Amino acid sequence: DAGVTQSPTHLIKTRGQQVTLRCSPISGHKSVSWYQQVLGQGPQFIFQYYEKEERGRGNFPDRFSARQFPNYSSELNVNALLLGDSALYLCASSLERGTDEQFFGPGTRLTVL
Amino acid sequence: GEDVEQSLFLSVREGDSSVINCTYTDSSSTYLYWYKQEPGAGLQLLTYIFSNMDMKQDQRLTVLLNKKDKHLSLRIADTQTGDSAIYFCAESNNAGNMLTFGGGTRLMVKP
Repeated sequence: DAGVTQSPTHLIKTRGQQVTLRCSPISGHKSVSWYQQVLGQGPQFIFQYYEKEERGRGNFPDRFSARQFPNYSSELNVNALLLGDSALYLCASSLERGTDEQFFGPGTRLTVL
Repeated sequence: GEDVEQSLFLSVREGDSSVINCTYTDSSSTYLYWYKQEPGAGLQLLTYIFSNMDMKQDQRLTVLLNKKDKHLSLRIADTQTGDSAIYFCAESNNAGNMLTFGGGTRLMVKP
């Protein structure tokens, strides 16, 4: 069975640009969450989507947005990139809205120059 | 707000037991988790414990939860070199839609 998949694996952008990251959850999972992991730190919660609606939002600026599609895949968009946005962006899927088991993908490494 | 804290580093010899500690602040947490992260990889869920339990054992892993002190620990028996990684504890919020992670404990296993 395929786990959580994310694309691209790596990405290099410059300040001010916009980026879109993609995530496909485990088959049958309806909830997708996004986390940002800055080097040397633990992951920080950005969003949770369940049944195509935003169900939770962390302490991130409005430059960060996301959406979930009918097939439960998700995109994370970041506008007006800053150097501090450089991080590993992790997607996690779970069966339902609760967090009894969240399964993480390998992440997308974003570097902002 | 929620805050989860862990010690930064732990070094053990192969075959010894490892104990990784974590403290959290949100007493309404429903579940508490342990994740493992190897270099360049995502997070692997190792185990989790429901907040009304005080112990959970899964093969070489034992989780102890002290709700009064808001202290969580992960014991790895017979630690192997393949256990070398960063270990994160995490708590869920009351709504169950957000995980708050600690900063991670780097476990180094010496042969």
